[in-house]
Amino acid sequence: GQNIDQPTEMTATEGAIVQINCTYQTSGFNGLFWYQQHAGEAPTFLSYNVLDGLEEKGRFSSFLSRSKGYSYLLLKELQMKDSASYLCAVAYAGNNRKLIWGLGTSLAVNP
Amino acid sequence: NAGVTQTPKFQVLKTGQSMTLQCAQDMNHEYMSWYRQDPGMGLRLIHYSVGAGITDQGEVPNGYNVSRSTTEDFPLRLLSAAPSQTSVYFCASSYGRFNEQFFGPGTRLTVL
Repeated sequence: GQNIDQPTEMTATEGAIVQINCTYQTSGFNGLFWYQQHAGEAPTFLSYNVLDGLEEKGRFSSFLSRSKGYSYLLLKELQMKDSASYLCAVAYAGNNRKLIWGLGTSLAVNP
Repeated sequence: NAGVTQTPKFQVLKTGQSMTLQCAQDMNHEYMSWYRQDPGMGLRLIHYSVGAGITDQGEVPNGYNVSRSTTEDFPLRLLSAAPSQTSVYFCASSYGRFNEQFFGPGTRLTVL
């Protein structure tokens, strides 16, 4: 199958750094997305990785290793408003093109 | 730009009733999709469209119909509502299937 694995819940402290991991099946890989979803709201796009390495966007960075089937989202200088669910989604190409969504990691930022 | 809009925001139906969830986007995106989101299940694709007049089934299409007569609009029809269709429904649009998706605010549907 094409399962996406990410931790269910994480807790961190305001001002700290947190890393949210995502692992996936590598066959047919065609890109990986991270979305943020606050409770009761719609997902919003954070980042897209298709090549190996780190993509930085302000306090948020996303890393990809295609050979390992691994990505992480790094959140720096955590703020209370970063409390949300973080969704990893992987695009698969080929005969079975699809976008597979992980179940999300619920991050709680405590003061 | 309004982005992606969805109506209604909340809806309660009785088993067997039918209804249409509306979705519209003003970004001239070719690709539109409908998802449902349930606790512990993540986002699941119901139907999608790659352009006006073209629709296809996603992972969980049973009990739902769609049409795409214009680029802007992509309504989702529940034919005969069942309690299993109680969920949060999101419409999304993007330039292509594997591009950044823009989501509507969601419709929270309860079927009694």
